[in-house]
Amino acid sequence: AQKITQTQPGMFVQEKEAVTLDCTYDTSDQSYGLFWYKQPSSGEMIFLIYQGSYDEQNATEGRYSLNFQKARKSANLVISASQLGDSAMYFCAMRDPRGGATNKLIFGTGTLLAVQP
Amino acid sequence: ETGVTQTPRHLVMGMTNKKSLKCEQHLGHNAMYWYKQSAKKPLELMFVYSLEERVENNSVPSRFSPECPNSSHLFLHLHTLQPEDSALYLCASSHFFKTSGIYEQYFGPGTRLTVT
Repeated sequence: AQKITQTQPGMFVQEKEAVTLDCTYDTSDQSYGLFWYKQPSSGEMIFLIYQGSYDEQNATEGRYSLNFQKARKSANLVISASQLGDSAMYFCAMRDPRGGATNKLIFGTGTLLAVQP
Repeated sequence: ETGVTQTPRHLVMGMTNKKSLKCEQHLGHNAMYWYKQSAKKPLELMFVYSLEERVENNSVPSRFSPECPNSSHLFLHLHTLQPEDSALYLCASSHFFKTSGIYEQYFGPGTRLTVT
């Protein structure tokens, strides 16, 4: 069955340092998509970055990059030069390959990141 | 208004009340979603509407009733809820094409629901 695992319930990082948030996934399908979302205390889920299973290059969006290791089924999020505003919950998600027409996402349990000054 | 909006942001209701949650997207998307987020649990997909047709209903109790009158609006009608229904309810939207594609979903700020 498709599953997303985030093993870090919480992380601390010093401001201006880089941090890696772990995500592993389980699927037997060849075509799938991986997403990272940020959820600040306000509740809104903010889309950060996307990686397709056939993309040869790691996705990057500003200070966010995705360390995609297909053989290991991992899709870790790297945030460079952390800022205080990066403090939030971070969720890894996978587009359910068997979701058919629904574009259904499967989410992990999230990692709470706290950026310290 | 831009993005995905949800009203109300907070709602407290008794178990015998009837209320509705509203979601509106201003992104030109044609698929909309309702999720439930409870403490320490992954987001749970409740309903999916694609091209105004309900295409997913994840065994959600009938006390939750969705309505999608057009591609920009989505409602979740609530009646005779239970205390365990207290959660953050998130609405999302995305593009959708029947033939192919993986599209990111854009979320609203959520409605924090408390059932007393």
